[in-house]
Amino acid sequence: DTAVSQTPKYLVTQMGNDKSIKCEQNLGHDTMYWYKQDSKKFLKIMFSYNNKELIINETVPNRFSPKSPDKAHLNLHINSLELGDSAVYFCASSRGEGTGELFFGEGSRLTVL
Amino acid sequence: GNSVTQMEGPVTLSEEAFLTINCTYTATGYPSLFWYVQYPGEGLQLLLKATKADDKGSNKGFEATYRKETTSFHLEKGSVQVSDSAVYFCALSGRSNDYKLSFGAGTTVTVRA
Repeated sequence: DTAVSQTPKYLVTQMGNDKSIKCEQNLGHDTMYWYKQDSKKFLKIMFSYNNKELIINETVPNRFSPKSPDKAHLNLHINSLELGDSAVYFCASSRGEGTGELFFGEGSRLTVL
Repeated sequence: GNSVTQMEGPVTLSEEAFLTINCTYTATGYPSLFWYVQYPGEGLQLLLKATKADDKGSNKGFEATYRKETTSFHLEKGSVQVSDSAVYFCALSGRSNDYKLSFGAGTTVTVRA
C-alpha cells in the first residue's frame, strides 16, 4: 500500500489547457502539502491544508487552485497552463503542522508544450 | 525569516569514500533540523532529524549533529555505496508560528563503483 499516492505520474499537455493532479494519503495524517520542484531540483512549497483548511498559500498564481474534499485528499487544479508550469509536483502529508516530518508521494511530472 | 544554505553540487565520489555535505541555517529561536534524501525517480524521504542543540541524528550510516554555535547541521557518511547516489536536502522547521519546512537547494551526489 502506497502511503501517499499521486495521479497521474506523467502529464504532457498543451499551453492554455486545464489539468488536475490528485493526491491521496492513507496514513491518517491531518496535514497535506503541494510542492513544486523545478529542473534544478529546487523545492518550493505551494499550499498546505490542515484538516481540510488552507493554512499555507505561498505566492502562487491564482491559476493554481487546491481542493481538499476530506483530510485524506488534496488535489491541485491548474488553469491556463503555461510553459513555466513544467515541473515535478509533489504531494506530501504530515501528522500535524510543524512536525517537519513529511511523507512524500512519488511526484507528478508535468510537461507543458 | 528562516533559511537553509547547503553546499552546491554535484558531488562525485568513489565507493567507500567519505561524504560530507555542509548545511548552515538562519533561524529565530531553536528550529528542528532535517536531512531528506531523494533517490532517482522518487519522492523525498526523511533520512534523519535533530530537534535540539547537540542532538545527533543518524540513519543508514549517515549522521548529522545539530551545532547551535556554528548554526550547522552537516551530513556525513564514512563509507558511501553506489546506492547512496541521490539528491540530499537539508531542511529546517521553525517553532510556534513559523513552523513551515524550509528546504535547501539540494546537493546531487553520485557514487561510482
